Amino acid sequence: DQQVKQNSPSLSVQEGRISILNCDYTNSMFDYFLWYKKYPAEGPTFLISISSIKDKNEDGRFTVFLNKSAKHLSLHIVPSQPGDSAVYFCAASDSNTGKLIFGQGTTLQVKP
Amino acid sequence: DTGVSQDPRHKITKRGQNVTFRCDPISEHNRLYWYRQTLGQGPEFLTYFQNEAQLEKSRLLSDRFSAERPKGSFSTLEIQRTEQGDSAMYLCASSFMETQYFGPGTRLLVL
Repeated sequence: DQQVKQNSPSLSVQEGRISILNCDYTNSMFDYFLWYKKYPAEGPTFLISISSIKDKNEDGRFTVFLNKSAKHLSLHIVPSQPGDSAVYFCAASDSNTGKLIFGQGTTLQVKP
Repeated sequence: DTGVSQDPRHKITKRGQNVTFRCDPISEHNRLYWYRQTLGQGPEFLTYFQNEAQLEKSRLLSDRFSAERPKGSFSTLEIQRTEQGDSAMYLCASSFMETQYFGPGTRLLVL
């Protein structure tokens, strides 16, 4: 069963606009959530994270929102830049093992 | 560069051969994780170490796979009698707290 789901395989936005990437999870034991960015033939690069005790975390152009009752998180990128074009993965973990369960990824294309 | 490093970056082998990959984590990180990623999917957990102890193995890790972290520093992942289905990107990550930092990966192609 897919415990972490990213239902949008791709997203295209115009430079300067907001990008919103979504992620849903099913396991209520998850207590830490992360977003990674990945370019082809490279490892995932950590972007931003959020603990389950918070509902928002912001770092520069990136903001992650967590809605625990809906088991949903989202990543907002504003303003979007062409260099943001990549595959974005959300991941969830529980603090016991720390192992990450990843979604399938969303390919973001930011058009100049 | 003090990030996670992996060696080799690419490996092409024939079916039935054994391969070994190495991961050097960030030096102060006590946890080390191995993941596998196939095309169009997110990384999937294989196993993890806390210091030198291997604490969990996924059911994805068949008995042909073995991982070690002998001194709690670098780790090796060995695949014996490789099969074409083993072709994937093998990723290593390390952490001290909750956030894992990934290496560049080893891309394996089994012919």
